[in-house]
Amino acid sequence: DQQVKQNSPSLSVQEGRISILNCDYTNSMFDYFLWYKKYPAEGPTFLISISSIKDKNEDGRFTVFLNKSAKHLSLHIVPSQPGDSAVYFCAASWTQGGSEKLVFGKGTKLTVNP
Amino acid sequence: DTAVSQTPKYLVTQMGNDKSIKCEQNLGHDTMYWYKQDSKKFLKIMFSYNNKELIINETVPNRFSPKSPDKAHLNLHINSLELGDSAVYFCASSQDGFRATDTQYFGPGTRLTVL
Repeated sequence: DQQVKQNSPSLSVQEGRISILNCDYTNSMFDYFLWYKKYPAEGPTFLISISSIKDKNEDGRFTVFLNKSAKHLSLHIVPSQPGDSAVYFCAASWTQGGSEKLVFGKGTKLTVNP
Repeated sequence: DTAVSQTPKYLVTQMGNDKSIKCEQNLGHDTMYWYKQDSKKFLKIMFSYNNKELIINETVPNRFSPKSPDKAHLNLHINSLELGDSAVYFCASSQDGFRATDTQYFGPGTRLTVL
């Protein structure tokens, strides 16, 4: 039961262009969303997040957009750099029974070509 | 100067064996986690400890037993290993209790292969 879906397993873009990574979710109780980046042989590292009360959050070259009506989240990287090549995980959290829950998507592998 | 470290990095073992994975964080964080990334690439939380106390215990077979000797360490012991236990196991830590707004710092992972 995938509550967070990253339907594109991979994405390839040219250096300097925009990378758009997408994430769809099913649970309307999700109230916080995160993106993590993972390089090979390393653990995931936090990249950017957004609360469900916002529709956009920007941090340098990274912007996350949230469309609650469509239950869709996207991460924009502009301009893309070869060092951005990694697997990007979308994650979502919610509160259930007084406890926070966190669920991750399967990830999208981004390749930025020089 | 690794913030969250795990040992071993790779672990290959036979079905039925018992094995442990160790995790240490030098960030002074209060909360530590174990995640499993299976063959389908989903990253799922297994356990979380806050100041040596278990706060999250997702649906995980009781062959998996976490042990936290102090708040800087969270070890994972697995009894009677099965083929389906093959996965990458990540340790993580965060500053306070488990809140999504509290950034988690992950270790490099331990790839467990059960033959």
